[in-house]
Amino acid sequence: DVKVTQSSRYLVKRTGEKVFLECVQDMDHENMFWYRQDPGLGLRLIYFSYDVKMKEKGDIPEGYSVSREKKERFSLILESASTNQTSMYLCASSHGGGHEQYFGPGTRLTVT
Amino acid sequence: QKEVEQDPGPLSVPEGAIVSLNCTYSNSAFQYFMWYRQYSRKGPELLMYTYSSGNKEDGRFTAQVDKSSKYISLFIRDSQPSDSATYLCAMRENYGQNFVFGPGTRLSVLP
Repeated sequence: DVKVTQSSRYLVKRTGEKVFLECVQDMDHENMFWYRQDPGLGLRLIYFSYDVKMKEKGDIPEGYSVSREKKERFSLILESASTNQTSMYLCASSHGGGHEQYFGPGTRLTVT
Repeated sequence: QKEVEQDPGPLSVPEGAIVSLNCTYSNSAFQYFMWYRQYSRKGPELLMYTYSSGNKEDGRFTAQVDKSSKYISLFIRDSQPSDSATYLCAMRENYGQNFVFGPGTRLSVLP
């Protein structure tokens, strides 16, 4: 059974804190993605990675960075959390060129 | 104009009804069209995908793509309360890695 796991389901952080969101997939997928999901806006791509140590900016990369040191793990970093980064964060993975993305359960982050 | 538009709903229907969910898009380079279902507090899961134009059927679900109109649809026959979820359309270019998602339509099927 394919699986994408995320380190936390719920997270509460204070403004200015550094936040790490971790994602692990066990399907040997080349591609990994980080999205945020907000009501009325749908899923918006923050960053994606098509190989270890490779990354590409998505539509809304400002305020975020990523790290992919191993094929199965993709981390999202909020360098200095702000209240407008309160959102649901979803990680996904796919084979290179594949049409299906497999999603994790999401992390609901609240920044106060 | 957003790249992918979708009526957010919410859409409420009685059990057994036929449901029609739709998306419009502006990028004529999109070739892969997907429908994802997302239950509350879960990540999206792929329901169906279609390549280019045409219809695809899977049980009670039918996906239609009309590239000339830049319009895709998902039909659910004999809807069940377990179909209550948010439905997201997604699209990708032929050689692209990025998926573009619609905002989702929230569907409630009432027993």
